[in-house]
Amino acid sequence: NAGVTQTPKFQVLKTGQSMTLQCAQDMNHNSMYWYRQDPGMGLRLIYYSASEGTTDKGEVPNGYNVSRLNKREFSLRLESAAPSQTSVYFCASRPPDSSYEQYFGPGTRLTVT
Amino acid sequence: QQQVKQSPQSLIVQKGGISIINCAYENTAFDYFPWYQQFPGKGPALLIAIRPDVSEKKEGRFTISFNKSAKQFSLHIMDSQPGDSATYFCAASMRGAGANNLFFGTGTRLTVIP
Repeated sequence: NAGVTQTPKFQVLKTGQSMTLQCAQDMNHNSMYWYRQDPGMGLRLIYYSASEGTTDKGEVPNGYNVSRLNKREFSLRLESAAPSQTSVYFCASRPPDSSYEQYFGPGTRLTVT
Repeated sequence: QQQVKQSPQSLIVQKGGISIINCAYENTAFDYFPWYQQFPGKGPALLIAIRPDVSEKKEGRFTISFNKSAKQFSLHIMDSQPGDSATYFCAASMRGAGANNLFFGTGTRLTVIP
C-alpha cells in the first residue's frame, strides 16, 4: 500500500515550457487535490476533484489544468511555465468517511527559470 | 480571504520547553479543527484533531486547546524535542461543503534547539 505517489520529485523548466505532474493513490479515495506550497503562504489549493470525471477550481487555478484520468490518477499540467509557478506541489486524497483527514504525497519541487 | 489565521510564522524553542502555536477562525460552520505536521522534504500528515464541543484533546505530548467563544484554538507541544522540528499547519473543516471543505492556516515553522 503505497498511499499517494507523485512524479517527478524534482523538475527544472525554462519559462514557456510545459510539463505534467503525475499523482496516483491506491486507497480507493474519491476526492483528490493539488496544492502548491510557498514560504509564508501555506498550502494553497489549485484544483480538486470530488470524483472520477469531475474537477473544480480552487484558490489559485490560473496557469494550470488538471485531468482526473480515473479513480486512482489526478494529473496537473502547466501549459506554459512561468517563474511565478516555482513552488513545491503536493497531491492529496481524502477518504469518504472523514471531513478533515487528507493524505499527502511527498511533493514535487519545481523550479522555473 | 484567509479562513484560518495562524501565528507565529516561526518559533524557536529550547529542548524540554513548551511550544505553543495559535489559530483563529470566523466561520462557525466549521466542524473539526485538525493539525498537520510536515517534516522537511515530506508532505503534511495529520497529527491530531478536535471537535468544537470539546475544550481539550491530548495525544502524548501534543494537546489541542479549543476556545469556542473566542473562536481560537492552539497546539501545545510539551517537553519539545529536536525531532519535533517541523512545520505545523492548523486547519478547519466543514462537513457538507463538498470536496473543497478543508481550510489551512499559513503554517508555523518550529525549530527545537538542543
